[in-house]
Amino acid sequence: QVQLVESGGGLVKPGGSLRLSCAASGFTFTFGDYYMSWIRQAPGKGLECISYIRGGGSTIYYTDSVKGRFTISRDNAKNSLYLQMNSLRADDTAVYYCARVTGSFYHYYFDVWGRGATVTVSS
Amino acid sequence: QSVLTQPPSVSGAPGQRVSISCTGSISNIGADYDVHWYQQLPGTAPKLLIYGNSNRPSGVPDRFSGSKSGTSASLAITGLQAEDEADYYCQSYDSSLSAVLFGGGTKLTVL
Repeated sequence: QVQLVESGGGLVKPGGSLRLSCAASGFTFTFGDYYMSWIRQAPGKGLECISYIRGGGSTIYYTDSVKGRFTISRDNAKNSLYLQMNSLRADDTAVYYCARVTGSFYHYYFDVWGRGATVTVSS
Repeated sequence: QSVLTQPPSVSGAPGQRVSISCTGSISNIGADYDVHWYQQLPGTAPKLLIYGNSNRPSGVPDRFSGSKSGTSASLAITGLQAEDEADYYCQSYDSSLSAVLFGGGTKLTVL
């Protein structure tokens, strides 16, 4: 059964840091073949794709609001995806989902989602 | 204001048919990029509902269908059931922004 499990969420003060992890199972032999992404959802708001990374790590995307503050990475040997979040702000408060990316270039979609990790930025 | 525009809410009685629109522009849906749809039940993670404009993943009932024309796409749900009450999101790629985008979401209420 293909599964993604996020961890590392929590309460952090503005300006602080947090590292999210996402453990993949059920497709571990091909984990390195897939783009992986982080998608967030602020309380009562819609979905926002904030970052994704190619299987080998050579291609990385960040939405403008997190550029320079967040870093996506992966360890294919551990079937894991990470999101290092620095200089956190109140508007980064959200549920962060790890999602597998499928489809051909420019036609990407997200076919497997984790349950999400809650990040709250507050003093 | 999302680049992909969806109605904030739609509603229908059990057994009825509802449709949710996703309106874009020539830099996304109109540029022939695929549209995908997700269902988010209350308190849960989103789930892929339709991919590649009109394809259903295994396990998704054929009551759900997707279509695309010009700069818009639609999700249709027939034989509405109480369990369909959820938020629905469209998603596509935008060449002007070089970004994968979601619509603002539509809350479906089953009356």
